[in-house]
Amino acid sequence: EAGVAQSPRYKIIEKRQSVAFWCNPISGHATLYWYQQILGQGPKLLIQFQNNGVVDDSQLPKDRFSAERLKGVDSTLKIQPAKLEDSAVYLCASSQRFRSHEQFFGPGTRLTVL
Amino acid sequence: GENVEQHPSTLSVQEGDSAVIKCTYSDSASNYFPWYKQELGKRPQLIIDIRSNVGEKKDQRIAVTLNKTAKHFSLHITETQPEDSAVYFCAAEGNNFNKFYFGSGTKLNVKP
Repeated sequence: EAGVAQSPRYKIIEKRQSVAFWCNPISGHATLYWYQQILGQGPKLLIQFQNNGVVDDSQLPKDRFSAERLKGVDSTLKIQPAKLEDSAVYLCASSQRFRSHEQFFGPGTRLTVL
Repeated sequence: GENVEQHPSTLSVQEGDSAVIKCTYSDSASNYFPWYKQELGKRPQLIIDIRSNVGEKKDQRIAVTLNKTAKHFSLHITETQPEDSAVYFCAAEGNNFNKFYFGSGTKLNVKP
């Protein structure tokens, strides 16, 4: 089966600019996750969707981060305005939830904020 | 919420030796513990997992052990090979189904 797709793979922006990331999960996977992975650390969950509804966004900095999953398939994560500390790899993952615990990760988007 | 601690942060072994990575967790309700391998510049990939009703699980050269009483679990890699070099992350599933809390990672270097 095709894996989780993400784009772009790399993005460099100036602080205070906006940026958006896109994720296409594995077909049939109802649960979608966005993680932030700062260099040298483990992934940290930002938001979890079940179909097109938000299950958990407790660690999403809502003053600057937003995410949506229209139609319960693709998802976008936006940062507006970006700060230097947002430099990280943003990983998208998906799972079947009720059939398996396993989360399948995409290749990530490496964001550098200058 | 759940808190997962992982150590060591770096581990260097000679090819053929064994490697052990340890994690502790705080939430006694956690019941699923996956291990992910992340090669440089690549996505994390599941290598083995264990549920709380099992004490040990093996898959060829890798094994995971779980001590629920002490709230710790470990990854064991035997007969290490250079291709085992990567960053390994442990995780624990918290109260919310499928919400993973990751450790900070262990960079394993297997020297030929």
